[in-house]
Amino acid sequence: AQSVTQLDSQVPVFEEAPVELRCNYSSSVSVYLFWYVQYPNQGLQLLLKYLSGSTLVKGINGFEAEFNKSQTSFHLRKPSVHISDTAEYFCAVNAKAAGNKLTFGGGTRVLVKP
Amino acid sequence: ETGVTQTPRHLVMGMTNKKSLKCEQHLGHNAMYWYKQSAKKPLELMFVYSLEERVENNSVPSRFSPECPNSSHLFLHLHTLQPEDSALYLCASSQGNSGGPEETQYFGPGTRLLVL
Repeated sequence: AQSVTQLDSQVPVFEEAPVELRCNYSSSVSVYLFWYVQYPNQGLQLLLKYLSGSTLVKGINGFEAEFNKSQTSFHLRKPSVHISDTAEYFCAVNAKAAGNKLTFGGGTRVLVKP
Repeated sequence: ETGVTQTPRHLVMGMTNKKSLKCEQHLGHNAMYWYKQSAKKPLELMFVYSLEERVENNSVPSRFSPECPNSSHLFLHLHTLQPEDSALYLCASSQGNSGGPEETQYFGPGTRLLVL
């Protein structure tokens, strides 16, 4: 079985400040890792994903995430946020042998303040 | 239209009603999914279809009945729902060529369902 924990349910942050969203996963097998973003009244959109290779993954809108196998983490960062980054962010994991069965974390709501 | 579309966007129904949610993808994908997004709970995978065959039913009650008539369309038929079924129902699609867990899923905007 696989599971994902997003440690912060809400993260308030000022515009142009950095933000880090934490994600830890558990799985007995190798996994692929994803970050999705959900803007208000919209579906989820992929920010980035880790499949293999370099542990630092760059995504859209200036976001990046680092895969840390020993800590089973996949934290998301952005060095300078904009008002438009206000959204809910979801970390997800899919075991390599599981077929297409994403398991999502509970989400982190980011509120960017001016 | 492009991407994944869902209709209706909002739905209010009584517990004795029968209604259907519709999803259409314009991406040429072979796999489609239904998810349930409830307040304060993680997204829950409900059903997975690959090449119009149901490959996953994640212990969903029988009052939810999916249908995939072709690779572009997915329906979720609803009957005798309970108030706790009120949620945002999201449809997604992926290429599905390899059935691979590495595939990106593309989501529709969802149908917000309220069961009275």
